Amino acid sequence: AQKITQTQPGMFVQEKEAVTLDCTYDTSDPSYGLFWYKQPSSGEMIFLIYQGSYDQQNATEGRYSLNFQKARKSANLVISASQLGDSAMYFCAMREGPNSGNTPLVFGKGTRLSVIA
Amino acid sequence: DAGVTQSPTHLIKTRGQQVTLRCSPKSGHDTVSWYQQALGQGPQFIFQYYEEEERQRGNFPDRFSGHQFPNYSSELNVNALLLGDSALYLCASSLDDLAGTTNEQFFGPGTRLTVL
Repeated sequence: AQKITQTQPGMFVQEKEAVTLDCTYDTSDPSYGLFWYKQPSSGEMIFLIYQGSYDQQNATEGRYSLNFQKARKSANLVISASQLGDSAMYFCAMREGPNSGNTPLVFGKGTRLSVIA
Repeated sequence: DAGVTQSPTHLIKTRGQQVTLRCSPKSGHDTVSWYQQALGQGPQFIFQYYEEEERQRGNFPDRFSGHQFPNYSSELNVNALLLGDSALYLCASSLDDLAGTTNEQFFGPGTRLTVL
């Protein structure tokens, strides 16, 4: 079974509008972390935002926010005021277990976001 | 502060050959993980090195091997290349554990391997 599911292969958004990228996850571990990465055409994965399973509040980082619904096992990324430079692949990833940098990440298949002027 | 660097950027090999990819972690990081990203897919974990030892391994055959040096840099070796090994190979570095942070992995730009 897929541990991370991203159901939107591609999304379009008008510049300056907000967009939501969906992510659902599957784990039985009570301790886990959820990440969103951006991958431009250059290939490098750029860390955007993190949500821990025990965090009470939704994470925010500038124009990025994470809509964390634990009971539904969803962790959607919201990008506000989209910019042309936001056009890229976006990956949702999960780390099961304690919050440690040595735990491998499991990635979804990604969503390609295209921002239209 | 230097980020994660990888070399070479691109590589073309033929079936049956062997390849070595290189990674230098972010300054201060001691753990290196390797991921394979096939076209149209998310990255998949290959293995991780810490203190010059392979600490964890994903579901990849023994043709995939690695090494970590005392300066924490790492190599990924793939023997007997198959067409299906064509992919973007990403290196990620992290600290083993740093309390109070997200402990995110920092990724390099990747090496794009094409097997003909």
